[in-house]
Amino acid sequence: GEDVEQSLFLSVREGDSSVINCTYTDSSSTYLYWYKQEPGAGLQLLTYIFSNMDMKQDQRLTVLLNKKDKHLSLRIADTQTGDSAIYFCAESKRGSYIPTFGRGTSLIVHP
Amino acid sequence: DAGITQSPRYKITETGRQVTLMCHQTWSHSYMFWYRQDLGHGLRLIYYSAAADITDKGEVPDGYVVSRSKTENFPLTLESATRSQTSVYFCASSEPPGAYEQYFGPGTRLTVT
Repeated sequence: GEDVEQSLFLSVREGDSSVINCTYTDSSSTYLYWYKQEPGAGLQLLTYIFSNMDMKQDQRLTVLLNKKDKHLSLRIADTQTGDSAIYFCAESKRGSYIPTFGRGTSLIVHP
Repeated sequence: DAGITQSPRYKITETGRQVTLMCHQTWSHSYMFWYRQDLGHGLRLIYYSAAADITDKGEVPDGYVVSRSKTENFPLTLESATRSQTSVYFCASSEPPGAYEQYFGPGTRLTVT
């Protein structure tokens, strides 16, 4: 299987919370990242979490890390149409500066 | 312009032609990367570089050549373009120490006819 797995699509209503999930296989992962890609643009780092943390909050974004299950999630509160994009989960292994990316989750926000 | 830029943003070329995609970053980051993005495959690493004159193959290097004579530039050359190389190409950079987060350019959409 893939090193980093994500579901391909998520559809939510404007104003609701979105939760994008990711699973990874390598227990030696040190950093886990969420990137956002808007149409026609490159990826932009949203946030990252170090592997010794369980949670990180940044305004409307909450990242949860479950190391036991190797599960990472990104919660976007009060989702807006401007949040429509592809969200990539990525992880970097200990001693490596090359991240492994998931295939991305397309978030569609409808009125 | 500050940041990481790519040129051209769009390119159409014919099968068999050589084409070079340019990448320039103003931060003097040590590490630079080339990815291609295709539907159904996500991002795939083509080549990467840890410093000037140090390059290494990624997951899908066949048909591509890179060079890095200066820290700020990392051109990607398709020596003889094929239709399977039609893709969106992204350059990225990062700098230790820290979280090794990557900064991406805006991408080059390449079509090989």
